[in-house]
Amino acid sequence: GAGVSQSPSNKVTEKGKDVELRCDPISGHTALYWYRQRLGQGLEFLIYFQGNSAPDKSGLPSDRFSAERTGESVSTLTIQRTQQEDSAVYLCASSNRTFFRADTQYFGPGTRLTVL
Amino acid sequence: SQQGEEDPQALSIQEGENATMNCSYKTSINNLQWYRQNSGRGLVHLILIRSNEREKHSGRLRVTLDTSKKSSSLLITASRAADTASYFCATDDGFGNEKLTFGTGTRLTIIP
Repeated sequence: GAGVSQSPSNKVTEKGKDVELRCDPISGHTALYWYRQRLGQGLEFLIYFQGNSAPDKSGLPSDRFSAERTGESVSTLTIQRTQQEDSAVYLCASSNRTFFRADTQYFGPGTRLTVL
Repeated sequence: SQQGEEDPQALSIQEGENATMNCSYKTSINNLQWYRQNSGRGLVHLILIRSNEREKHSGRLRVTLDTSKKSSSLLITASRAADTASYFCATDDGFGNEKLTFGTGTRLTIIP
């Protein structure tokens, strides 16, 4: 079946502009996650959705970052007034989490964001 | 050091040899996962091992977990050129929270 998809695959923007990144999770997966990966680094957690709610936003680095999820499906991560330090690969993952336990997170290919 | 720290940072071996990577973590966990990443993009899930498990196998992969030492190892047997990638371990926080904490990874290079 189809995996997690993300768009765009690459985004180049100018400092100060807003960007919107999209994630389509695996159909039926209740949980959705956003991570950020800077060059040569591991992944940093940003936010987690269970359904359309975000119980954990603790990883969002500043109030310029926001995310929403609708229809228990698609999610968008918005970065306002982008800064050069926002340059990274933004990865989305989904899982078939139940109330009782977490499950494997399956990752999309990521969006490479470059802020000039 | 950070939660989910891999060792070594880089490893080069000849094709056909076995590769072993280690991961150490600091806090209690519910599960530990290993992922592979090619060319800095999408992560491929390899194995999830739960805190009450000690060893799991999947094809040429063997993962061990020692919760008393807060460490895990990933063994790839009979390595192939296609195994060249970065390998990350990821841990949860043991409280059912969803965020995974990743280390900086081991860069594995298989020499044909």
